[in-house]
Amino acid sequence: EVQLVESGGGLVQPGRSLKLSCAASGFTFSNYYMAWVRQAPKKGLEWVATISTSGSRTYYPDSVKGRFTISRDNAKSSLYLQMNSLKSEDTATYYCARCTIAASFAYWGQGTLVTVSS
Amino acid sequence: DVVLTQTPPTLSATIGQSVSISCRSSQSLLHSNGNTYLHWLLQRPGQSPQLLIYLVSRLESGVPNRFSGSGSGTDFTLKISGVEAEDLGVYYCVQGTHAPWTFGGGTKLELK
Repeated sequence: EVQLVESGGGLVQPGRSLKLSCAASGFTFSNYYMAWVRQAPKKGLEWVATISTSGSRTYYPDSVKGRFTISRDNAKSSLYLQMNSLKSEDTATYYCARCTIAASFAYWGQGTLVTVSS
Repeated sequence: DVVLTQTPPTLSATIGQSVSISCRSSQSLLHSNGNTYLHWLLQRPGQSPQLLIYLVSRLESGVPNRFSGSGSGTDFTLKISGVEAEDLGVYYCVQGTHAPWTFGGGTKLELK
């Protein structure tokens, strides 16, 4: 059974950093592109980052480019999101998702809530 | 960025009724490789989203065949043939043809 378990969320002050983790199991992690998708409270979904199977290629929307870094450790079947210079508008539940085809998020974790507030 | 406009924003249905949700794109979603990267997700209350349909019309494994997708270019439709109680929630279309990947605003399906 495919499982994705996010961790690392919490309350953080504006301008500070936070690193999210996603532990994957039930599939060969290194064979899949992985992504982060977020959802602000009571709002819709927003794609945040995608990483290739080897980690050599990463993709971001302009809203987080230069502030967020996606990475992976295939030996540990783990995905990460380093978030720097956090803003109040980054407040959201962050989901880890497995990609099969571009933007086809076939499996999702339960999400981890990040609250950016002073 | 590609804007996906979903209509209606809210849909009220009775059990057994057939309903359709529209997703209109600001640009053609036909990729130069011939694929159209338009997918549909359902987010039930309090749950993570789940994939229903990928590449416009392909049913994800385990998804009931009362769900179907159609469309091309800029206009796409998700149809539910006979709504069941478990289908309630928010439906999203998402595109992966153009960077950045973008989601529609969602359509909330509720019981009438």
